[in-house]
Amino acid sequence: DGGITQSPKYLFRKEGQNVTLSCEQNLNHDAMYWYRQDPGQGLRLIYYSQIVNDFQKGDIAEGYSVSREKKESFPLTVTSAQKNPTAFYLCASSTQGARRNQPQHFGDGTRLSIL
Amino acid sequence: QKEVEQDPGPLSVPEGAIVSLNCTYSNSAFQYFMWYRQYSRKGPELLMYTYSSGNKEDGRFTAQVDKSSKYISLFIRDSQPSDSATYLCASHTGGFKTIFGAGTRLFVKA
Repeated sequence: DGGITQSPKYLFRKEGQNVTLSCEQNLNHDAMYWYRQDPGQGLRLIYYSQIVNDFQKGDIAEGYSVSREKKESFPLTVTSAQKNPTAFYLCASSTQGARRNQPQHFGDGTRLSIL
Repeated sequence: QKEVEQDPGPLSVPEGAIVSLNCTYSNSAFQYFMWYRQYSRKGPELLMYTYSSGNKEDGRFTAQVDKSSKYISLFIRDSQPSDSATYLCASHTGGFKTIFGAGTRLFVKA
């Protein structure tokens, strides 16, 4: 079955530690996205990538980094510079139609907490 | 002002009721409108995707967009306990950035 796989499901970070969240898709989608979801707030865009080896900052990129070396993979690193990392992180992907971007499809998220 | 606004609820209805979920938006350039369903500790699942104004029906679900009043609605007929979830509305102009509402929590009581 085609889909988006995020791992791990739960992750704990110690002070001063960088952690990496995995996102893999087998939908052959060009675009991939990372969002952060906090209670009572909408999804906030961290980074997105339209093609391999290219990515753009979203609205809340500070303290995060990404790479896009393969079409299927878009890992997110939460660095020690991110002072409030506790949240639910969602990865999404989409394809592009003739003149517009198609709706995004999501993985099942990674919940990150501070130890 | 947020670009897409939703009442957070919770909205509680008895099984079999018709549910009406609503959003407002502020960006006149939005052309594409989506509804997602999100169960607890899961990712959002696309329910409906519509373009411009009008209605779209899929089974028990009907999405309605009124661009003149910048109002988006999702109707659920014959609601079931399995419909209990958070419903997110979303919009975009056709580009890569999608704006999501904060979601409305729905409880359908058996």
